[in-house]
Amino acid sequence: SQELEQSPQSLIVQEGKNLTINCTSSKTLYGLYWYKQKYGEGLIFLMMLQKGGEEKSHEKITAKLDEKKQQSSLHITASQPSHAGIYLCGATSGGGADGLTFGKGTHLIIQP
Amino acid sequence: NAGVMQNPRHLVRRRGQEARLRCSPMKGHSHVYWYRQLPEEGLKFMVYLQKENIIDESGMPKERFSAEFPKEGPSILRIQQVVRGDSAAYFCASSPPFVDTQYFGPGTRLTVL
Repeated sequence: SQELEQSPQSLIVQEGKNLTINCTSSKTLYGLYWYKQKYGEGLIFLMMLQKGGEEKSHEKITAKLDEKKQQSSLHITASQPSHAGIYLCGATSGGGADGLTFGKGTHLIIQP
Repeated sequence: NAGVMQNPRHLVRRRGQEARLRCSPMKGHSHVYWYRQLPEEGLKFMVYLQKENIIDESGMPKERFSAEFPKEGPSILRIQQVVRGDSAAYFCASSPPFVDTQYFGPGTRLTVL
């Protein structure tokens, strides 16, 4: 079965600094999803990447997919307190609609 | 367009009772997924349903757990004879046909006393 490993597990960053979160898959990635979860709440969809080399941005968040390395990275530029939360990567094991396998998450704390 | 709705948001049950969790997908979404989030274990897929059909239940415990998505009404995750180990946050997600992105509800937090 597919496993996703996220690093780091937790991250404390000073407001205004940049940061990167990584997600590595044990198997070929067909679709990679990034979600954000605030403590005690549901998941908010951020981005989906499907093609090797694909890069997407939304506001100050950029995600990339390295298909050969079976890895994705999420980069936040000029972090703000609103970026705090748990970032989860999820992946499908095959093409089409499928249950997602998730990493254990990266806890991000922004220090003012 | 309202998001995925789940109720109740919090549910307390005593050991041996039944728990019923409801999920109303987003308008136009015919695919529903249930996930469980246990402390220290992360989010785990349980079951994937389309209207009146279970497509994939590979993540469902073999006993006491069942799910349905009837032609009319919300999807239901049912847990019979709950035990303390069932205490967790249960999330529902939905997606429209031919689109892979899943949109999550706020979750139901089940506490078993």
